[in-house]
Amino acid sequence: KQEVTQIPAALSVPEGENLVLNCSFTDSAIYNLQWFRQDPGKGLTSLLLIQSSQREQTSGRLNASLDKSSGRSTLYIAASQPGDSATYLCAVSGSGTYKYIFGTGTRLKVLA
Amino acid sequence: DTAVSQTPKYLVTQMGNDKSIKCEQNLGHDTMYWYKQDSKKFLKIMFSYNNKELIINETVPNRFSPKSPDKAHLNLHINSLELGDSAVYFCASSQAATTNYGYTFGSGTRLTVV
Repeated sequence: KQEVTQIPAALSVPEGENLVLNCSFTDSAIYNLQWFRQDPGKGLTSLLLIQSSQREQTSGRLNASLDKSSGRSTLYIAASQPGDSATYLCAVSGSGTYKYIFGTGTRLKVLA
Repeated sequence: DTAVSQTPKYLVTQMGNDKSIKCEQNLGHDTMYWYKQDSKKFLKIMFSYNNKELIINETVPNRFSPKSPDKAHLNLHINSLELGDSAVYFCASSQAATTNYGYTFGSGTRLTVV
């Protein structure tokens, strides 16, 4: 049974810092991994989607890496801004399935 | 031009009532999902429909009944509401019955049972 864990659960950093959010999963037989952002009281916004055959994906200041064999993904945020404050969720889908298993989330606060 | 829209956004109701949440997507996707986010912010899948056919039915009380009149709509009906049903319910859609292109989520319906 796939389990997804995100560390840390909460993170507070000063503006301008580069930071890394971690996601680990127990079953390495994944199809792909998606990073989402959730703002308080809002829905989920897709940030990056990494297929199992890919090592990383980049979008603006965001870079997500995937190491399937070790069951890990990281989301790197460069030059953090107060507007980056949100909860970040990773989700993995297994081979042959079409549902995502979500992690527990990392609540990020970037201080001005 | 909301891609996945849910109504209502907030729902407060008494125990024992029956209520429905509606979801519509204008992305032309074939597959739609209902997820539940509990008080600890943990998201868990409940149901999925592909072209009006139920393809995922997780361990959910049978008081919850999804209905898909067409592939652009997926509604969730809940009978005999209980306090433990209080949560945020998210609708999502994907291009097909695959996660190949990821999901698109709605903004959620916050259900509070009192």
